[in-house]
Amino acid sequence: ETGVTQTPRHLVMGMTNKKSLKCEQHLGHNAMYWYKQSAKKPLELMFVYNFKEQTENNSVPSRFSPECPNSSHLFLHLHTLQPEDSALYLCASSQDIQSSYEQYFGPGTRLTVT
Amino acid sequence: GQQVMQIPQYQHVQEGEDFTTYCNSSTTLSNIQWYKQRPGGHPVFLIQLVKSGEVKKQKRLTFQFGEAKKNSSLHITATQTTDVGTYFCAEPSYNTDKLIFGTGTRLQVFP
Repeated sequence: ETGVTQTPRHLVMGMTNKKSLKCEQHLGHNAMYWYKQSAKKPLELMFVYNFKEQTENNSVPSRFSPECPNSSHLFLHLHTLQPEDSALYLCASSQDIQSSYEQYFGPGTRLTVT
Repeated sequence: GQQVMQIPQYQHVQEGEDFTTYCNSSTTLSNIQWYKQRPGGHPVFLIQLVKSGEVKKQKRLTFQFGEAKKNSSLHITATQTTDVGTYFCAEPSYNTDKLIFGTGTRLQVFP
C-alpha cells in the first residue's frame, strides 16, 4: 500500500466522451503529479501541482485538463481524446516538488480510447 | 527536451546471473534516484544517491553514483525471478529541479 489511490483502475472511452480520473494521497504530501506511460516509452511528466497550485504543464494538449482542489486530491479531466492517448496514467505525490524528494506512485488508470 | 538515457534497454538473464543497468547524464547531478516497476505495476522508489562515488547496498542490489556525479549504475547479484521488472533512474531537470525519469531497463529473468 503506497498511500496513493487512483480510480478508476481501468477505463474505456470513445473519442467523444468526457471522463475524469481521480487521485488521492493519504501521505500529507504537498506536491502531486500526473504522468503518462505508453508502451515502450519512458514516464512522461504531464502536470505538477505544489500546494494546489499548478507549477508545470509539459505542453500537454488541452483535451487533458487537471484540477487540484486541495493538496490531497488531483483530477485529470478528459474530453475528445484520440486513440494515441491510450496509456497508463499514473498519479504520484512527494513531500515537496524538489527533485531530492522521492515520489510515491498510485496504481494507475489503464485508459483505452476507442 | 532533457532525456535520461539508460542502457541496456532490455536484458534477459538466466536466474542466478548478474545484471547491471547504467544511467548516463550530460551534466553533473545533485542527486539521482532509482525506481522499480514490476509488470502490471507502478514505479516504486528504491534509493537515492547524493554523494560523489557513493555506493549503497540493498541485499543483492548495489547502487553506485559516479565520481563525477554524471552517471549511476544498479547491479543485481545472482538474479531471481522476483527481480523481473523495469528499472528507472531519475535525475533533476536542468532548469526546474523536477525529476526526469530515464528510459528504463526491462529485466527478464528465466528460471
